[in-house]
Amino acid sequence: EDKVVQSPLSLVVHEGDTVTLNCSYEVTNFRSLLWYKQEKKAPTFLFMLTSSGIEKKSGRLSSILDKKELFSILNITATQTGDSAVYLCGSQGAQKLVFGQGTRLTINP
Amino acid sequence: DGGITQSPKYLFRKEGQNVTLSCEQNLNHDAMYWYRQDPGQGLRLIYYSQIVNDFQKGDIAEGYSVSREKKESFPLTVTSAQKNPTAFYLCASSRGLAGGWFVEETQYFGPGTRLLVL
Repeated sequence: EDKVVQSPLSLVVHEGDTVTLNCSYEVTNFRSLLWYKQEKKAPTFLFMLTSSGIEKKSGRLSSILDKKELFSILNITATQTGDSAVYLCGSQGAQKLVFGQGTRLTINP
Repeated sequence: DGGITQSPKYLFRKEGQNVTLSCEQNLNHDAMYWYRQDPGQGLRLIYYSQIVNDFQKGDIAEGYSVSREKKESFPLTVTSAQKNPTAFYLCASSRGLAGGWFVEETQYFGPGTRLLVL
C-alpha cells in the first residue's frame, strides 16, 4: 500500500532559526513529490520534485528529492512568524496523490 | 479569475441526512479530487475523477458518493452511511495525468467546506 510519512509531526522554533522537514515515501510507479503549505484553509502549492539531487528554491524555502533513499526534505532558512503553518508532503503515483500526516510548524517571535 | 470554489463554507448535517458539497473549477482541468482532513491529520483521498463521466474510489470512499457529469463540477454527497462525517473537506483539481507531463499533476485546492453534525 502506498504510504507517505512526515517527520517531525510538530516543531516549534524561534524566529530566525533554520528548519528541516522530512518526508519519506513508498509509492508504486512514483512520478513526483509535492510540497504544500496549509495555513488556515486551502493548501497552497510550494514545490514539485521529479528528479533526484536537483534543489528547487523559492526565497527562503528549498527542497530536494532523493529517489534512491525515497525521501525529500523541505528547508526553511531565517524563519519568520508567517512561516507558521502545516506543511504537507504528497507523493504522486500512477493514479493518485498520497499525502503524509503533515508537519505543524510554529515560529515563535 | 480562475480558480476552484467550494460551497458552502460551513455545513451542518442532522442524523440520517444526506448532504451535498459543491466543487466547481474554471481552470479547464480534467482531473478533480475530494479529500477529507481531520484535526491534526493529513489529507485522505475520498474519490477522484480523471475525466468526465468517470470516477474512482480513493482510500476512504465508504459513506460517500460523487458524480462527474460536467468537467467543471464534482459534487460530493456525504450519505447517512458515513457515521463520522465531521471533518474539513477539500476539493482539488489538476490538468490530469493523461498528457504524461509532470507539470499537469500539480493539484490546486479550493477553500474547503467544514462539515459538522448536529
